[in-house]
Amino acid sequence: DVKVTQSSRYLVKRTGEKVFLECVQDMDHENMFWYRQDPGLGLRLIYFSYDVKMKEKGDIPEGYSVSREKKERFSLILESASTNQTSMYLCASSTSRFGLAGANYNEQFFGPGTRLTVL
Amino acid sequence: AQTVTQSQPEMSVQEAETVTLSCTYDTSESNYYLFWYKQPPSRQMILVIRQEAYKQQNATENRFSVNFQKAAKSFSLKISDSQLGDTAMYFCAFMKPNSGYALNFGKGTSLLVTP
Repeated sequence: DVKVTQSSRYLVKRTGEKVFLECVQDMDHENMFWYRQDPGLGLRLIYFSYDVKMKEKGDIPEGYSVSREKKERFSLILESASTNQTSMYLCASSTSRFGLAGANYNEQFFGPGTRLTVL
Repeated sequence: AQTVTQSQPEMSVQEAETVTLSCTYDTSESNYYLFWYKQPPSRQMILVIRQEAYKQQNATENRFSVNFQKAAKSFSLKISDSQLGDTAMYFCAFMKPNSGYALNFGKGTSLLVTP
């Protein structure tokens, strides 16, 4: 089974702190994603990566950066946390290689989420 | 950017009944994928069903089926014989190939299945 893990389920930080959210997947997926989930807004894409050291901005990248030094790990960084970044953060991974994925082609597998509170 | 609209923020259905969740989307693309994801309370998001736009046949997965109307840009999810375990947030999502394979999500429909 595909497994996507996130470093923390709950995190409390103070305004101005630098925050790291880590995501690891174990299925050799080339695509990884960070979403933010807020009530009434659904999931919004922050950043994604389709290869090591590659990154693309999503719909709401302001205030965030990412790092992908290894294929299995995708980190989301809040350079200076603010209260409006209090949210649930979901990581996901997928593969677009049909031979690897088969019926799971392009399916995104999600981690359990990190609920971040910025005080 | 593609937009995905789920017009029903909350729905309720009795056990064993059938319920339909609506989703519409806006795109100028002819080739794309559509998904329904389920997020049970305090649990991980999982894929329910997927539809490729070039396929005319509606996708089905056991009790879950879709009504895909490409011309109307509509992608509704039907859940038959609803079970208590179907209680969850349901998200409709759109993916355009060759765009990084990211998903555009709707705002979600909260479905409650009652005994």
